[in-house]
Parts: sequence; structure tokens; C-alpha cells
Amino acid sequence: GESVGLHLPTLSVQEGDNSIINCAYSNSASDYFIWYKQESGKGPQFIIDIRSNMDKRQGQRVTVLLNKTVKHLSLQIAATQPGDSAVYFCATYSGAGSYQLTFGKGTKLSVIP
Amino acid sequence: KAGVTQTPRYLIKTRGQQVTLSCSPISGHRSVSWYQQTPGQGLQFLFEYFSETQRNKGNFPGRFSGRQFSNSRSEMNVSTLELGDSALYLCASSLGPANRGTNEKLFFGSGTQLSVL
Repeated sequence: GESVGLHLPTLSVQEGDNSIINCAYSNSASDYFIWYKQESGKGPQFIIDIRSNMDKRQGQRVTVLLNKTVKHLSLQIAATQPGDSAVYFCATYSGAGSYQLTFGKGTKLSVIP
Repeated sequence: KAGVTQTPRYLIKTRGQQVTLSCSPISGHRSVSWYQQTPGQGLQFLFEYFSETQRNKGNFPGRFSGRQFSNSRSEMNVSTLELGDSALYLCASSLGPANRGTNEKLFFGSGTQLSVL
């Protein structure tokens, strides 16, 4: 069945460095991916999305890369700041006609001042 | 523009009781989805409503139910609470039906933290 996973459960980076959070998916038919950020005590917050007809999309300090060949996507955060500390999830609609977003387990990003 | 509003923010109940959670979507959004979040299982889909109709339901027992009103506001109900129902219940809204065809982005509220004792 569909699964969306992340390679690392935790990631610690120095403030000012770049962060890379990875995600693997299993369904080659998945064609839309979303990255969410969840801070403590809050719901997931939309960061950026990408469709399968693209391999890269940039936002403000964030870039998502999609490699359909190996079914892998990554979220890159430039010049990581303390406010970036949170749990990051990738998500995709699983299966044809699916109504539900399938979320990965999440990577906890800690920024060291 | 106000975001998704969920009430109450915290709830403490005992086993066997029932609970009703409320969600007000972003203005103009007509679809509301509910998710359960636990440390062990992560985020799991409960159900989605669009135009007052439940369009799909996740793999949860019949004790979990919901409804949507004509103003798009939604409620979910859990009857005969069990200890394992302790979780953060998240509501998300989107402009249109959220599915693989539409690829709608979901916007989440801060959730209701339910503790069952």
C-alpha cells in the first residue's frame, strides 16, 4: 500500500546553516506532494507544494526537489533560523481517487543557536 | 482572513463519555477534513465533508462520526470514549473537495487536545 516516509526522525543544524529534510514515497502514481511544518502546540502549517510535472520549486528560503525516478523528495531550508525548529511532514494523496492525505511520520528539526 | 478555528482547545473526559468537537473553516472554504494525531500513529484521516455530505471515511470505528452544516462549519463526535482515543484532533479546510484529482491544499487548525482518563 501507499506509504510516505522520512529518512531521519531528528535533525540538528547550526543556526545559519542549510537544512535538508528527506522523504520517500512508494506509489509511483503519486503526483502531488505537500510539505507541512508543525510547531509545538499548533496544527500543521502549509509550507510548499510540488506537482509531479516539476522537479524543483522554490519559495521563501525553502526549496522542494522531486526525483520521480527514485520516488524521493526533499525540503531544503536556507539559512536556518531558530523559528524553523519544528516537526516537518511530507504528504501526498494516496491512491487513485483518494480523499485523504497520507503523511509521513515527521522529522523533528532542532536549530542550535 | 481568519484561519481554521477549533474549539475547545483542550478537553478532559472519562471512559464511556462522549465528546463533540467543533471546527470553523476558513471563510469561503467548503471542504472540511478531520485527522487524528497521536505520537504512535502520526496523522490519520478520519473523514471529509463537502457541501454537508461525508465523502469519505478513514479506518475508524463507528463511534467516530461527524457532520457539516450549511455554513460549512463541522462537528465531530466520539461516543463511548476509550483510553486510546486520547489524541490531538485536527480539522483542516480547503476551497473545494480534497482528493487526488483536485490536489487541494489543506489548511489546518491548532487542534483539540483530548485526554481520556
